[in-house]
Amino acid sequence: QKEVEQNSGPLSVPEGAIASLNCTYSDRGSQSFFWYRQYSGKSPELIMFIYSNGDKEDGRFTAQLNKASQYVSLLIRDSQPSDSATYLCAVNGLGGSYIPTFGRGTSLIVHP
Amino acid sequence: DTAVSQTPKYLVTQMGNDKSIKCEQNLGHDTMYWYKQDSKKFLKIMFSYNNKELIINETVPNRFSPKSPDKAHLNLHINSLELGDSAVYFCASSAGRIANYGYTFGSGTRLTVV
Repeated sequence: QKEVEQNSGPLSVPEGAIASLNCTYSDRGSQSFFWYRQYSGKSPELIMFIYSNGDKEDGRFTAQLNKASQYVSLLIRDSQPSDSATYLCAVNGLGGSYIPTFGRGTSLIVHP
Repeated sequence: DTAVSQTPKYLVTQMGNDKSIKCEQNLGHDTMYWYKQDSKKFLKIMFSYNNKELIINETVPNRFSPKSPDKAHLNLHINSLELGDSAVYFCASSAGRIANYGYTFGSGTRLTVV
């Protein structure tokens, strides 16, 4: 069973705080991992991708990958109200498939 | 310049009708996809084309028929529409079959069947 699990939320954080979004996946052989942001009524937009264990930073965003524990996280530093959106985790390589499997997303609310 | 464009943006139609959604990308990508996003925001792959060749055909009713006239275009035709077809349909593209660098999505088509 190919699964990507995310807490649906909503995750509510105050402006300026660190938002931590988590994603677990079922297949240890999965190879590449993606975070997309989707504003209400809009299409998903790729924020980051990560392939190797460890951290990858891009501006206020950090993706963290731990293949042994089968989880990938997205940290958003200095959260802004404009970060309020649904964050979708996608995993490539689940069950040998090269089509990404998406989680159901976590809703993030950043309140002033 | 819009990278992946879909038309129409909204589609309201009656049960039993036939409708089409069009998608075009100007990124030079060679792989295109159709995804369905239901009311609970779950994104599910429907079809994928690589250089006009169908490479992914998930368990989708055969009322749905994709067509790719060239690698920059991917259309979706739906026959005999049903209430359960109501959803947002996203077109996406990627460089390469394995999408190692992720997808670029179109703006979506919100289909409402009444």
